[in-house]
Amino acid sequence: GAVVSQHPSWVICKSGTSVKIECRSLDFQATTMFWYRQFPKQSLMLMATSNEGSKATYEQGVEKDKFLINHASLTLSTLTVTSAHPEDSSFYICSAREVGEYVVNSPLHFGNGTRLTVT
Amino acid sequence: AQSVTQLGSHVSVSEGALVLLRCNYSSSVPPYLFWYVQYPNQGLQLLLKYTSAATLVKGINGFEAEFKKSETSFHLTKPSAHMSDAAEYFCAVIVSNTGKLIFGQGTTLQVKP
Repeated sequence: GAVVSQHPSWVICKSGTSVKIECRSLDFQATTMFWYRQFPKQSLMLMATSNEGSKATYEQGVEKDKFLINHASLTLSTLTVTSAHPEDSSFYICSAREVGEYVVNSPLHFGNGTRLTVT
Repeated sequence: AQSVTQLGSHVSVSEGALVLLRCNYSSSVPPYLFWYVQYPNQGLQLLLKYTSAATLVKGINGFEAEFKKSETSFHLTKPSAHMSDAAEYFCAVIVSNTGKLIFGQGTTLQVKP
């Protein structure tokens, strides 16, 4: 089945530093990848939609200069949390839709998430 | 705008009992609905999906869901709960003109021995 690999699975960084999270589709090509954020005991909130070769589309309220997304190839999207602060601590999950899948009824394949802790 | 609402943030059942997790949707067009499960500190695993082919959808691990247009519902059920079913369950809908997947608030399923 379709596998999405997310790396790292957890990271601890100091306030003010930047952290990059990678999301790779291992056995399929993904035109579109989505980035979600999940606070403890809460649902997944969509942050942005990443399309290969174009700029990401951010949801309302998400700072694009804070959360830099790059989708340079059909198998890799990255999320960089710039100048991280403790309030950025969260669980970040990526997901991908396979190229050619009929959008309206195709499920997303999810990575295992990245636990970010900013101290 | 399309959305889903999960009723009950926490459901507790005994092992072997029926599991019922509720999800209602709001959509002006035929919705495409999904149920996902999340285990602690992990990503999401697809349980089942409704794409209008059949109103009763069978998924993995013995789960199924029934699409009821008259009730705008897509409740998830399992006849007999197992301890390994304890997890977080999310109902989700695809926003038809964007392909985005939007989640409900989630329901924590606790299974008691």
